[in-house]
Amino acid sequence: ETGVTQSPTHLIKTRGQQVTLRCSSQSGHNTVSWYQQALGQGPQFIFQYYREEENGRGNFPPRFSGLQFPNYSSELNVNALELDDSALYLCASSLWRGGENEQFFGPGTRLTVL
Amino acid sequence: KQEVTQIPAALSVPEGENLVLNCSFTDSAIYNLQWFRQDPGKGLTSLLLIQSSQREQTSGRLNASLDKSSGRSTLYIAASQPGDSATYLCAVPIIIQGAQKLVFGQGTRLTINP
Repeated sequence: ETGVTQSPTHLIKTRGQQVTLRCSSQSGHNTVSWYQQALGQGPQFIFQYYREEENGRGNFPPRFSGLQFPNYSSELNVNALELDDSALYLCASSLWRGGENEQFFGPGTRLTVL
Repeated sequence: KQEVTQIPAALSVPEGENLVLNCSFTDSAIYNLQWFRQDPGKGLTSLLLIQSSQREQTSGRLNASLDKSSGRSTLYIAASQPGDSATYLCAVPIIIQGAQKLVFGQGTRLTINP
């Protein structure tokens, strides 16, 4: 069974640029969630994708967008990067069966915006 | 609105001690509660998940308890070792707009001194 993987591991961008982060879900999972974790804070929910559709979003502006592909992998896109976007971005996958479902996390992508 | 709090923010103890980490939540109508471990700059490793119908779960030297009525959970670590040094996060799931998101505490940074 393959776990959740994310790429790249680290990324450095400058303010105003755009970035794409990638996530491969755990084998057998159909749902992907993205979280942002600032230094010293707990992760904050960005959005969740199920069956290639966004089905829930946290308090993040529209410049944070995503995609889910037929193989359930996912991308997180951030446009017009700001300094405050510097954080660890975590992807989690789960098997949607209604109600609550245990989420399994990847190793994260560290984004630094200069 | 569900809020999760972890106290203390940091804890330093000598090797071999037994210790307790605390987690509190404001809405007692939870499905489950999960404890994670996070090493610096890394992703989240799930340690224990307690269903709402359970009062405790054990894995090796770790024991997590859940008291829904008081909105509290504790993670007990027995015979602590330097390798236990990490940040410990608790999280509860909530359903928003059809998506399940995890609401995290800010974590307790644990240091075990040899």
